[in-house]
Amino acid sequence: GAGVSQSPSNKVTEKGKDVELRCDPISGHTALYWYRQSLGQGLEFLIYFQGNSAPDKSGLPSDRFSAERTGGSVSTLTIQRTQQEDSAVYLCATRRGVTSGRVKNIQYFGAGTRLSVL
Amino acid sequence: DQQVKQNSPSLSVQEGRISILNCDYTNSMFDYFLWYKKYPAEGPTFLISISSIKDKNEDGRFTVFLNKSAKHLSLHIVPSQPGDSAVYFCAASAMRVRGANNLFFGTGTRLTVIP
Repeated sequence: GAGVSQSPSNKVTEKGKDVELRCDPISGHTALYWYRQSLGQGLEFLIYFQGNSAPDKSGLPSDRFSAERTGGSVSTLTIQRTQQEDSAVYLCATRRGVTSGRVKNIQYFGAGTRLSVL
Repeated sequence: DQQVKQNSPSLSVQEGRISILNCDYTNSMFDYFLWYKKYPAEGPTFLISISSIKDKNEDGRFTVFLNKSAKHLSLHIVPSQPGDSAVYFCAASAMRVRGANNLFFGTGTRLTVIP
């Protein structure tokens, strides 16, 4: 597709269950980011991929959160033993390459996955 | 610690008039700034950006102004249209700093343009 695709669009789960959120980036975009937006908050950075490697995981809130990326394309964000405070919209964004004088840091976002933990 | 702040959670403007959305930042390493627009149930859509080497960037009805000494930027929409009604997010990054270049976002301003 032409844009960033995320699935599922909505996920309702019970506290303690594991969830997987998927992101399909724009074709050719090597940089991939996960953010989350909690109610009334701005977007909060979680993790950054360049290709398949994740040089910056500093935003992951706890060791229950992990992410991987395969083939320099699809990424999966996994939340283990979900808690109610994990409820948020999880957004994926991608960018064409490494920022430079020519490549500006314009990130393109998917529609997000709304996670509700009951 | 919120490094990018949008202190007005909402703004209402009459159609045809100017909308001015404001944003402040605290990190002097930020050198690239963006505005995103978000409709309900959609992801943020890139609108306009500005590098710290400039103080103004214009694209059609949208103009972004940057005041580095005040660590302040603003988005002007002229003339405002009902379709501009959305939540606007200000974002910043430090491109000169090696690393993730992740964006730091404000909490957003909900703009309502009244027909």
